[in-house]
Amino acid sequence: DIQMTQSPSSLSASIGDRVTITCRAGQSIGSYLNWYQQKPGKAPDLLIYAASSLQSGVPSRFSGSGSGTDFTLTISSLQPEDSATYYCQQTYSTLSFTFGGGTKVEI
Amino acid sequence: QLVESGGGLVQPGGSLRLSCEASGFTFSSYWMTWVRQAPGKELEWVANIKQDGNERYCVASLKGRFTISRDNAKSSLFLQLSSLRAEDTAVYYCARVGIPRRGYYVMDVWGQGTTVTVSS
Repeated sequence: DIQMTQSPSSLSASIGDRVTITCRAGQSIGSYLNWYQQKPGKAPDLLIYAASSLQSGVPSRFSGSGSGTDFTLTISSLQPEDSATYYCQQTYSTLSFTFGGGTKVEI
Repeated sequence: QLVESGGGLVQPGGSLRLSCEASGFTFSSYWMTWVRQAPGKELEWVANIKQDGNERYCVASLKGRFTISRDNAKSSLFLQLSSLRAEDTAVYYCARVGIPRRGYYVMDVWGQGTTVTVSS
């Protein structure tokens, strides 16, 4: 299975801050990388797919970049409703869709 | 919409069958998947199943104990859990696998989850 490593595991930021979360794959996965947001007690929501494509309905302050093994999720101006845990996921292989360990964002 | 059921309290070594009923989309047109999340832990992909059920993939650590299946006539997805251990305690989510762009897979519709607790 392809291992996915996120950093940091948690962060604290203020409203309006620019926040960056990184995800590293154990091997090259092209741009087969998704980002999800999960709030406590809820199922995850898809934010970004194919490394940089914004899912319909997701605010434009979210953006993704990267390819190969290194990826980034950026929140350009942090809002109160962005308090959540964020997960990256690789879908390079249909044999397994592994997730990263998550990054908890606190306001 | 996806609605899971079948979770509950089970003793170590026991079995459980989780169900996920789909509505609002053509179930038979989509790969489906199970994802679980232990209390306070990260998401863990469990298994995928192709539209016709002829291809199934499960995380290596669970092979032989967990089996994914589906019934397209009933728009339902299943996960059979056996030889359960305390570390299988988790919320189990079913999700639809969408393809927003050719070759790119996403989990774009999720159920609310069903809780499995393995304890004596």
